Amino acid sequence: DSGVTQTPKHLITATGQRVTLRCSPRSGDLSVYWYQQSLDQGLQFLIQYYNGEERAKGNILERFSAQQFPDLHSELNLSSLELGDSALYFCASSGSRDGSYEQYFGPGTRLTVT
Amino acid sequence: GQNIDQPTEMTATEGAIVQINCTYQTSGFNGLFWYQQHAGEAPTFLSYNVLDGLEEKGRFSSFLSRSKGYSYLLLKELQMKDSASYLCAVRVSGNQFYFGTGTSLTVIP
Repeated sequence: DSGVTQTPKHLITATGQRVTLRCSPRSGDLSVYWYQQSLDQGLQFLIQYYNGEERAKGNILERFSAQQFPDLHSELNLSSLELGDSALYFCASSGSRDGSYEQYFGPGTRLTVT
Repeated sequence: GQNIDQPTEMTATEGAIVQINCTYQTSGFNGLFWYQQHAGEAPTFLSYNVLDGLEEKGRFSSFLSRSKGYSYLLLKELQMKDSASYLCAVRVSGNQFYFGTGTSLTVIP
């Protein structure tokens, strides 16, 4: 158990819909990272937040957005969903602002878009 | 662009040593991570290299050569539980991370 929690574990929704994925980091970690893992593309870095502020941005689509709240939990919002958005979404937390420490991954949310 | 290459699959025998290679072509290199991921589970951290050389951690060691854009993960005394996917990840300036597609290792008796 990494100490990082993600909800829900599974999500099935239709194209065009909007969903919110939630992540709670390990106690004391200020950095939260979001990743998308699909079979054909491997693990893709989406975005990082540190103590409530966006710190780094990867290959995140404009239809996706994220935020980190004062209690440090984070949410990833996916809108106008397409079939290709079906993937495993991981959240990871770290004690480092600059990414030089290891990241602890949550169990993931499996999103299926039908 | 950023490019990270790893072999797709490897097979090794229990008790043996296996080396998993990773080559990368990135701009603004700022460190390399190795993660282990069992099927259906989250990745777990194995090692981090930012300077050239070998980092040893129990049965696992990781090597980095920045001039060659090359790293390897060495697993010794292989156990059946080491059957998993091994992900090479590069951190670049701007604090972005790029992962290889992973090497699926199968350990056979």
